[in-house]
Amino acid sequence: GQSLEQPSEVTAVEGAIVQINCTYQTSGFYGLSWYQQHDGGAPTFLSYNGLDGLEETGRFSSFLSRSDSYGYLLLQELQMKDSASYFCAVRDVVGYNQGGKLIFGQGTELSVKP
Amino acid sequence: NAGVTQTPKFQVLKTGQSMTLQCAQDMNHNSMYWYRQDPGMGLRLIYYSASEGTTDKGEVPNGYNVSRLNKREFSLRLESAAPSQTSVYFCASREALGSYEQYFGPGTRLTVT
Repeated sequence: GQSLEQPSEVTAVEGAIVQINCTYQTSGFYGLSWYQQHDGGAPTFLSYNGLDGLEETGRFSSFLSRSDSYGYLLLQELQMKDSASYFCAVRDVVGYNQGGKLIFGQGTELSVKP
Repeated sequence: NAGVTQTPKFQVLKTGQSMTLQCAQDMNHNSMYWYRQDPGMGLRLIYYSASEGTTDKGEVPNGYNVSRLNKREFSLRLESAAPSQTSVYFCASREALGSYEQYFGPGTRLTVT
């Protein structure tokens, strides 16, 4: 089977740093992505890690360790608008050449408090 | 560009009724996807179309059918709706080769009574 594990909810205060972890167990692996979803709206892409290491995009960073089947999303200088659900997703190797598909985790609800 | 559009935004069906959810993208993307999202759950793939003319089953295809009408449009059909199909349905598209990002539509909120 294929599974991704991430915490169901995280709470932090404005200005703080928060890390959302994701561990995966999939039959194939071709990269870890992160998506943000506000209030049940359209998920939006945040980042992608195809290789081990840290990728930084502004206040957000994402890390991947393929040997540990583990990644995380790091949000710095938290703002109230960062309150949302965050999903990790693994690209299934099978069928990549035809477009591939993503397997999503169940999501982490982040609440940012003043 | 409108991106990915979905119609309708909301729908209430009675058990046994049928309906088609419409999805269109104007980004000239090759791959398109249908997901469902239930409360407290992640997105589960129903069907996908890697390119025009092809469709494949995802994780939860039972009770659904799809049609890739052309490169722009990918529809999802419920032939005989059941309460278990009450969910939010998202369509997404992706450029395919060399692209990691999926673009999602605003969703269709479906209730089956």
